[in-house]
Amino acid sequence: AQSVAQPEDQVNVAEGNPLTVKCTYSVSGNPYLFWYVQYPNRGLQFLLKYITGDNLVKGSYGFEAEFNKSQTSFHLKKPSALVSDSALYFCAVRVATLNAGKSTFGDGTTLTVKP
Amino acid sequence: GAVVSQHPSWVICKSGTSVKIECRSLDFQATTMFWYRQFPKQSLMLMATSNEGSKATYEQGVEKDKFLINHASLTLSTLTVTSAHPEDSSFYICSARDRDRYEQYFGPGTRLTVT
Repeated sequence: AQSVAQPEDQVNVAEGNPLTVKCTYSVSGNPYLFWYVQYPNRGLQFLLKYITGDNLVKGSYGFEAEFNKSQTSFHLKKPSALVSDSALYFCAVRVATLNAGKSTFGDGTTLTVKP
Repeated sequence: GAVVSQHPSWVICKSGTSVKIECRSLDFQATTMFWYRQFPKQSLMLMATSNEGSKATYEQGVEKDKFLINHASLTLSTLTVTSAHPEDSSFYICSARDRDRYEQYFGPGTRLTVT
């Protein structure tokens, strides 16, 4: 079985400050890890993924995430938050099988960036 | 690239009628498509997974006779909500993945309201 935990329902940061949205996972085997963002009444947009290689992955809109195998974490980070980053963020994991397998999504974290 | 469209974006129907939602991958071949349901401020609930040319695999608790899924081609999947009831009102999101991609790409969602 695979699972994802996003321990924070809500993260509040001031514009210009660094932000972190936390994600931990549990999976049997090598994980594929993903971050998605959702704006109100819209589908999810892909931000970044970890498949293999460098533990630090960079994605869209200045976001990055670090894969930490020992802590089974994949926290999303951004050095300087923008008000427009305010949205709902989902972490997802699935087992390393390219052509099969469904992703498990976390419950989501609402990020609010205040001016 | 990697655009998924969904139609309609919103629909209102009367109780007892059926509604069809289309999901198309516009610039890639979707070997696997997923249908999700999302309640307000909640995570995605996977309803079913479909591979092109095969019957959909439904998640536990999802009525296959009520939520008919057809993945007739590599670019089109449809979800038909049959004999809709007010409790079926929700935000339905499709997602697609092809054999060359690790990540999923999501449609913009369909807001269904059953009166």
